[in-house]
Amino acid sequence: KAGVTQTPRYLIKTRGQQVTLSCSPISGHRSVSWYQQTPGQGLQFLFEYFSETQRNKGNFPGRFSGRQFSNSRSEMNVSTLELGDSALYLCASSFPGASTDTQYFGPGTRLTVL
Amino acid sequence: AQTVTQSQPEMSVQEAETVTLSCTYDTSESDYYLFWYKQPPSRQMILVIRQEAYKQQNATENRFSVNFQKAAKSFSLKISDSQLGDAAMYFCAYRSGLTRSAHDMRFGAGTRLTVKP
Repeated sequence: KAGVTQTPRYLIKTRGQQVTLSCSPISGHRSVSWYQQTPGQGLQFLFEYFSETQRNKGNFPGRFSGRQFSNSRSEMNVSTLELGDSALYLCASSFPGASTDTQYFGPGTRLTVL
Repeated sequence: AQTVTQSQPEMSVQEAETVTLSCTYDTSESDYYLFWYKQPPSRQMILVIRQEAYKQQNATENRFSVNFQKAAKSFSLKISDSQLGDAAMYFCAYRSGLTRSAHDMRFGAGTRLTVKP
């Protein structure tokens, strides 16, 4: 089975711009979660989606939004970028109902805001 | 709230030797899952091993094994016969068995493992 894929792998944007990141889960996985990883804050939960519905959202401003499509692919959007948004954005998918709900991560998108 | 603590920011091991990475967690739940993830310089988080709290038997995956001490809330990872490819940041993670939500998943700060040839 193909793993979780994320596009693009690298992005460079300037302050005030917006960005959209994409995540394709493992085939059959219907749950997708997003995390922001920075050296100072570690891994922080952004969103969790299941069957096109947002189940939970982390403690991030409204500039961060996301959605999930009927094929379980997910996108996250960050509007009005700030320098502090520079981070590695990780997507993970899981199969809810499985015995462990193990999350499998994608390779990440490295976002740099100048 | 659940917390995960990795007290060793950095560890090093000689190739072919054994190393143990420590992890402790705090929870009031009885149903939960524990994980070790590896993040090499390529940045992808790779699942190394997982443990269900209700299972007393320690999980093993080839050269990787855990020492799960439920009463002590300890979940250490042992890497045997260390290889150069084991060099990475290792994260310990906790996931609630009650909610099974990623929102309730907690990660430690990580331990950077260096493998010396």
